[in-house]
Amino acid sequence: KQEVTQIPAALSVPEGENLVLNCSFTDSAIYNLQWFRQDPGKGLTSLLLIQSSQREQTSGRLNASLDKSSGRSTLYIAASQPGDSATYLCAAWRSGNTPLVFGKGTRLSVIA
Amino acid sequence: DTAVSQTPKYLVTQMGNDKSIKCEQNLGHDTMYWYKQDSKKFLKIMFSYNNKELIINETVPNRFSPKSPDKAHLNLHINSLELGDSAVYFCASSQEGGAEEQYFGPGTRLTVT
Repeated sequence: KQEVTQIPAALSVPEGENLVLNCSFTDSAIYNLQWFRQDPGKGLTSLLLIQSSQREQTSGRLNASLDKSSGRSTLYIAASQPGDSATYLCAAWRSGNTPLVFGKGTRLSVIA
Repeated sequence: DTAVSQTPKYLVTQMGNDKSIKCEQNLGHDTMYWYKQDSKKFLKIMFSYNNKELIINETVPNRFSPKSPDKAHLNLHINSLELGDSAVYFCASSQEGGAEEQYFGPGTRLTVT
């Protein structure tokens, strides 16, 4: 059974810092992986999807990488801004026919 | 032009009541999902429907009954509500299902008193 762990659970950084959020899996048999952002009281916003044949994806200041051999993914946020404050969730599929399994998220606060 | 919408946003009800949550997506996707986010913010799949057919049912009590009148709608009906049903319920959709990018609705916060 796939379990997803996100470390740290919470992170507070000053504005402008580059930061890395970590995600690890108990089962390294990862198919695709998706990173989300959740603002308080809101739904999930899809940030990046890394497909099984890819190792990373970039969108603006965000870069997500996936290392299947170690069962880890990282989300890199460059030049953080107060508007980046949210909970970031990673989720993975073990195969094309299994449900999406979520981590508990990292709550990020970017202080102006 | 909301992609995935849910109604209501908030739902407060008493134990034993029956309630429904509606979900609609205008993305033209074939697959829709219901997720439950508990008080510890842990998000877990409940159901998945592809083109009105049930694909995933993750050992959810049979008091929960999803209904898909067409592929753009997936409603969640809950009978005999219990205190433990209090949570935020999210609807989501993806193009064809499988391991494709999922798009989420804003959530429905259900409080059972």
